[in-house]
Amino acid sequence: GAVVSQHPSRVICKSGTSVKIECRSLDFQATTMFWYRQFPKQSLMLMATSNEGSKATYEQGVEKDKFLINHASLTLSTLTVTSAHPEDSSFYICSARTPGLGIEQYFGPGTRLTVT
Amino acid sequence: GQQVMQIPQYQHVQEGEDFTTYCNSSTTLSNIQWYKQRPGGHPVFLIQLVKSGEVKKQKRLTFQFGEAKKNSSLHITATQTTDVGTYFCAGPFTGGGNKLTFGTGTQLKVEL
Repeated sequence: GAVVSQHPSRVICKSGTSVKIECRSLDFQATTMFWYRQFPKQSLMLMATSNEGSKATYEQGVEKDKFLINHASLTLSTLTVTSAHPEDSSFYICSARTPGLGIEQYFGPGTRLTVT
Repeated sequence: GQQVMQIPQYQHVQEGEDFTTYCNSSTTLSNIQWYKQRPGGHPVFLIQLVKSGEVKKQKRLTFQFGEAKKNSSLHITATQTTDVGTYFCAGPFTGGGNKLTFGTGTQLKVEL
C-alpha cells in the first residue's frame, strides 16, 4: 500500500516551453502533497506544499508563477514548469501523506527534467 | 534558517564493515525521520524517532535520537551490498506543520 506515481519519468523539452508533471497517490487519499527538487548528489529541497482544494504554499525563493501547482483532487497534484530554462533541469520528486497512514511521506519515483 | 547537516558526505566500506552516519540539526526537533534513497530511486521511509535518547533497531540498522533532540545517528552493522544508497535524516520545519527539512545526506558505497 501507499504507492505514489509520477508521470512522466523523464522529459526533455526546449527552452521556453512548459512542462507538466503529475503526481498521483494510487491507493490512498493524500491530504497533503509536497514537491521537491533534487540536484545530482544533493539533498531534497522542498519547493511547495499543496493541500487539496487550496492554494499551494511555496518555500522562500521558489517562484510561484514559474512553478504552478494544482491539487485538484485527493489523489492528484500537478506541477507545471512554465517557460522552462536550462537551469530548471533537475530531478523533481513529489511526496504525499495522509494522517491515517502515519507521519511519513511516501515518495513518487521522480521526474528527470532536461531543458535544452 | 533551520539547517540539518550530515556527516560524512560519502563513505566507502568493504562488505561486512560497519557504517555510521551522523545527523545534526541547528534547532531542536520534535521528531526525526530517516529515509534511504537507492541510486536512481526515490526516498523510502525507514523510521521515526520521537523521544529524547530513543534507540530503535531494524535488523542490522540501529537508530538513535540524541538527548537534546538535536542530533541523531544511523548505524549499520556488517554492511551488505544491498545497503548501498544515500541515507537522509529529516526533521520537521521549525514552526510546525508536516513539512520536512532533509539533511544533506550520506552516500554509502559497499564494495565486495
